[in-house]
Amino acid sequence: AQKVTQAQTEISVVEKEDVTLDCVYETRDTTYYLFWYKQPPSGELVFLIRRNSFDEQNEISGRYSWNFQKSTSSFNFTITASQVVDSAVYFCALSERDNYGQNFVFGPGTRLSVLP
Amino acid sequence: SQTIHQWPATLVQPVGSPLSLECTVEGTSNPNLYWYRQAAGRGLQLLFYSIGIDQISSEVPQNLSASRPQDRQFILSSKKLLLSDSGFYLCAWSLRGPSNQPQHFGDGTRLSIL
Repeated sequence: AQKVTQAQTEISVVEKEDVTLDCVYETRDTTYYLFWYKQPPSGELVFLIRRNSFDEQNEISGRYSWNFQKSTSSFNFTITASQVVDSAVYFCALSERDNYGQNFVFGPGTRLSVLP
Repeated sequence: SQTIHQWPATLVQPVGSPLSLECTVEGTSNPNLYWYRQAAGRGLQLLFYSIGIDQISSEVPQNLSASRPQDRQFILSSKKLLLSDSGFYLCAWSLRGPSNQPQHFGDGTRLSIL
């Protein structure tokens, strides 16, 4: 069965610090997909990134970067020079091949507070 | 572009009353549709998903039900609400097909049961 663990329940940093959110997953499939979502205080979940299991290239988008390592089953998310607007709950999620979306498993989330 | 609408945004209901939450998607056809619940300070729990009209799967036994009367409409209902039904309800859609499609969420409904 698939599982997503986000061991950090809450993190607090001061503005401009870098912060890394951890995500560890379990799956038996060799093809799978990983996602990160942001849930700001307003409540809606915002899709940030998708990664395919066969593509281990790290990705950078502005202040956001993602480190995917199959060897450790991790898909960590780093925010560089954090800002107050980054305060949110961040969810990591996993979807296995050929389940047509119905088995999208979310981690428990990490609440990030960026203090001014 | 695709958009998802979910209403109402907030709802306060007494125990034992009925419930109807509605979600519609625009700009796409044959989407997968999902209902999630999020208890305060907790993660997301998948309640129902649908791959087509009248094709709905339930993930968690409860006093809630879901219906999909039209391709892009998904309704969450209850005949009698319980205190434990309080929470934040999110509707989501994804493109039909392989599991690499991200899910896109509505703004959610905050449901308080008194």
